[in-house]
Amino acid sequence: GEDVEQSLFLSVREGDSSVINCTYTDSSSTYLYWYKQEPGAGLQLLTYIFSNMDMKQDQRLTVLLNKKDKHLSLRIADTQTGDSAIYFCAESPGGYQKVTFGTGTKLQVIP
Amino acid sequence: DSGVTQTPKHLITATGQRVTLRCSPRSGDLSVYWYQQSLDQGLQFLIQYYNGEERAKGNILERFSAQQFPDLHSELNLSSLELGDSALYFCASTQGGRAADTQYFGPGTRLTVL
Repeated sequence: GEDVEQSLFLSVREGDSSVINCTYTDSSSTYLYWYKQEPGAGLQLLTYIFSNMDMKQDQRLTVLLNKKDKHLSLRIADTQTGDSAIYFCAESPGGYQKVTFGTGTKLQVIP
Repeated sequence: DSGVTQTPKHLITATGQRVTLRCSPRSGDLSVYWYQQSLDQGLQFLIQYYNGEERAKGNILERFSAQQFPDLHSELNLSSLELGDSALYFCASTQGGRAADTQYFGPGTRLTVL
């Protein structure tokens, strides 16, 4: 079955770049997502990428996909204190399949 | 605001009881997904409905059931509640029935079982 793994914690200084990593196991064509969850709130979709893409950029967010290693990363440029949250990586194989989430990475931004 | 609404926001009940959680999808979305988020299990997919019919099933216990009504809102019923059922329950909606469609999450219902 699908498995998605993330490191649990990342601490960065305000203004630096943050890189959150994720590995997945599904080998079929798949969608890969990044969600943000702020304390006490639901999940907010940040961005997504299809497995035939290598990179996607959206303002301060850059998603990089290494298909060979099944490694996905989310880079946040100029990290702000408002970026402090838990970031979930998720994958969903094409078709009518469920979404599998990683454990989440807690990002702490130090002022 | 994702456009997905969930009620109630908080629910406190006792073991052995039964509760119903409600979700209204975004306008125009036909599919609803239910998830459970707890400290020890992380975020788990429970079940998906598309246009009133069950489409996919995940790690949903037999004590739990769900349905989607003709107006597309969905209810998740949790019965014979146990302490371990305490969690945040999210629903998400998509326009189509594919899990690959972008999911928009509601704010969640926090269930506490005492």
